[in-house]
Amino acid sequence: GAGVSQTPSNKVTEKGKYVELRCDPISGHTALYWYRQSLGQGPEFLIYFQGTGAADDSGLPNDRFFAVRPEGSVSTLKIQRTERGDSAVYLCASSLRLTNTDTQYFGPGTRLTVL
Amino acid sequence: QKEVEQDPGPLSVPEGAIVSLNCTYSNSAFQYFMWYRQYSRKGPELLMYTYSSGNKEDGRFTAQVDKSSKYISLFIRDSQPSDSATYLCAMNRNQGGKLIFGQGTELSVKP
Repeated sequence: GAGVSQTPSNKVTEKGKYVELRCDPISGHTALYWYRQSLGQGPEFLIYFQGTGAADDSGLPNDRFFAVRPEGSVSTLKIQRTERGDSAVYLCASSLRLTNTDTQYFGPGTRLTVL
Repeated sequence: QKEVEQDPGPLSVPEGAIVSLNCTYSNSAFQYFMWYRQYSRKGPELLMYTYSSGNKEDGRFTAQVDKSSKYISLFIRDSQPSDSATYLCAMNRNQGGKLIFGQGTELSVKP
């Protein structure tokens, strides 16, 4: 079956601009996660959703970052007033349920470059 | 200090070698331990998952957890060029699915 998909695969923007990154989880998965991976580093947790609600947004670095999942499926990560330090690969993952033992399946990521 | 420490490598071995990858962690609240493999420009994929201290084997892969030392390992036997990738350890507490990752170790298996 189809895995997690993310669009766009690459996004180049200028400092100060607004960007939206989209994640389509595996069908039927109730939990959705966003991570950020900087070059040479492991993924860093940003936020996760159970259904439509954000269960934990403690990893969002500041109020320029916001994520939504209005219908409990597709999610959008929104970044306002982008900064060069926001450049990274943004990974989305989904799992069947929100438990410690449910496997998180990752998408290929969106590579964001802020000039 | 990071919660999870992992030597970034790179690590280069000949085909057929046994590979040992390791992570240490500082938070005794971590209960679940995973190893992910990430190919270049791809998302991580789960290789192994363990809960308790001890060994878990799956084909050529063995995961080992020592909670008393806060140390986890992944062993790859009879390594193949297709094993060339970055290996990430990850762990979480009893708080849902939030994963804490190590930095990743880049492995290259030479034919």
